[in-house]
Amino acid sequence: EAGVTQFPSHSVIEKGQTVTLRCDPISGHDNLYWYRRVMGKEIKFLLHFVKESKQDESGMPNNRFLAERTGGTYSTLKVQPAELEDSGVYFCASSHQAGGELFFGEGSRLTVL
Amino acid sequence: GQSLEQPSEVTAVEGAIVQINCTYQTSGFNGLFWYQQHAGEAPTFLSYNVLDGLEETGRFSSFLSRSKGYSYLLLKELQMKDSASYLCAVTLPDGYKLSFGAGTTVTVRA
Repeated sequence: EAGVTQFPSHSVIEKGQTVTLRCDPISGHDNLYWYRRVMGKEIKFLLHFVKESKQDESGMPNNRFLAERTGGTYSTLKVQPAELEDSGVYFCASSHQAGGELFFGEGSRLTVL
Repeated sequence: GQSLEQPSEVTAVEGAIVQINCTYQTSGFNGLFWYQQHAGEAPTFLSYNVLDGLEETGRFSSFLSRSKGYSYLLLKELQMKDSASYLCAVTLPDGYKLSFGAGTTVTVRA
């Protein structure tokens, strides 16, 4: 069974540009989460999808971040325009049940110059 | 708010036993996870404690005291492949959102 996959693994962009990160959860997992780890700090929750609906987006930093999960399968996280402080590793995770064991992807490392 | 504290680094030799402590202060609590993360890889599940006491899985054990806001992860018979970051995380009252500690880097020496 394929795990959670994320693309790209690493993205380097300049301040003001746009980046879109993609996450493919484990097939059949309705719950999809985005987390972020900025340099030297702990992993922090961004948002939670149940199927295509946003269950909780309280962790989204600001309106430069837009997450979508059309059709309830894969999800994208767009940062527009990117700022220096957005640099970090963005993790996607999925679970069969909310609150159940989370399966994480390897993360997408974003570097904003 | 949520606060989880872990030591930043631990170094030990092969075959030794290592204990990683995690103390937490959270507004509500459902349970506590431990994850292992090798550099550049996905965090992987190690254990989940809901009730007080010790949970053992092979060489790894995890302990929880809800009244003290304290957990530890015990790694026995350390192997080189155990060199990794170990993250404790608390599930908040809504049951699905995780609040993480900063992680403890374990380095195993020959």
